[in-house]
Amino acid sequence: QKEVEQDPGPLSVPEGAIVSLNCTYSNSAFQYFMWYRQYSRKGPELLMYTYSSGNKEDGRFTAQVDKSSKYISLFIRDSQPSDSATYLCAMTPSSNTGKLIFGQGTTLQVKP
Amino acid sequence: SAVISQKPSRDICQRGTSLTIQCQVDSQVTMMFWYRQQPGQSLTLIATANQGSEATYESGFVIDKFPISRPNLTFSTLTVSNMSPEDSSIYLCSVEARDRFNGYTFGSGTRLTVV
Repeated sequence: QKEVEQDPGPLSVPEGAIVSLNCTYSNSAFQYFMWYRQYSRKGPELLMYTYSSGNKEDGRFTAQVDKSSKYISLFIRDSQPSDSATYLCAMTPSSNTGKLIFGQGTTLQVKP
Repeated sequence: SAVISQKPSRDICQRGTSLTIQCQVDSQVTMMFWYRQQPGQSLTLIATANQGSEATYESGFVIDKFPISRPNLTFSTLTVSNMSPEDSSIYLCSVEARDRFNGYTFGSGTRLTVV
């Protein structure tokens, strides 16, 4: 069993829809949670970072962490075609190791 | 956030040869990280590079295959040695996003194809 599970999709939604992306994990030591967006043939771009449980909002993006369920989510409101990309969750138990454990990534397509 | 420049962006190499990938950061950082992203797979940490000390390799990765240099606080190289088609991947370097922990920033990656 992988430490971090993420449905690879693909996920296809119409423009303007609310998108929900999720990851589950097995290691209760994870404390730092990140979401990355990766366009084709590009490096991952950091979207959101959350420490421990709770919610964090940044524009159209909201990240949620539920440590009791070992479940994290990324919500995208008013999705746009430019949001079409692969979204990767990543997590680590410590802020100074640099060892991120990534999910497989979910491919999202937002259709005009 | 730190800005990372990575070179080359892509290369096609013959099996048995070696390729050195460069990573330049616009600010001084203590640790630099090298990841591999195999086709259709997620990212896996290869090693951590600290200035002035030997790199620390993750399980499954060895120095003879992936030698790393870290001559100063803004630069690192990763060499993929004696390449085989199985080494065809995207190689990425990463650093902490800011002085206070706020996630990690990645370079744009080096897309390596071994033929």
